[in-house]
Amino acid sequence: RKEVEQDPGPFNVPEGATVAFNCTYSNSASQSFFWYRQDCRKEPKLLMSVYSSGNEDGRFTAQLNRASQYISLLIRDSKLSDSATYLCARSSNTGKLIFGQGTTLQVKP
Amino acid sequence: NAGVTQTPKFQVLKTGQSMTLQCAQDMNHNSMYWYRQDPGMGLRLIYYSASEGTTDKGEVPNGYNVSRLNKREFSLRLESAAPSQTSVYFCASSPRSTEAFFGQGTRLTVV
Repeated sequence: RKEVEQDPGPFNVPEGATVAFNCTYSNSASQSFFWYRQDCRKEPKLLMSVYSSGNEDGRFTAQLNRASQYISLLIRDSKLSDSATYLCARSSNTGKLIFGQGTTLQVKP
Repeated sequence: NAGVTQTPKFQVLKTGQSMTLQCAQDMNHNSMYWYRQDPGMGLRLIYYSASEGTTDKGEVPNGYNVSRLNKREFSLRLESAAPSQTSVYFCASSPRSTEAFFGQGTRLTVV
């Protein structure tokens, strides 16, 4: 079993929709969690870190549930420009940074 | 700002050839990583270096070696390339267990 798992999708949603992605992890020693965005044929870039208390950045909200070992990303009022692959990641206190396989989002007009 | 620089950007190798992918960062980060990305597989960790002088295996280390030459540079070597190593390779660096910054990737084809 992969240490970090995501539903690869694709998620096809209309503009303006709300969409949510989940990511489960199996290593309870995981220390920090992140969501990255990757555009086609580009390098991943950090979208947001995920804190236990939850955090919000504009239309994006990230949550961490340590008891159930998952993190989530909620995108409200989807834009065409949100179309991308979203990768979750977790790091351990040894410095190991592991990614999920990514979830593809396609926002349609 | 250069950030993380990878060379080369593209490479075609014949089966059995060797090559080294170079990576350098100018952000004074402690940790550096090498990943490969294949369709539908996300980013898989090959090797990482939590600090200068240390290296550790990741999820898919077989067929690869690494060298953390100094704090700035972390190279990935393929001793005898195989078609299964055709992939996009990303190098990344981070201060320590925090946000990772990626290079632009190396597209490697082994024929």
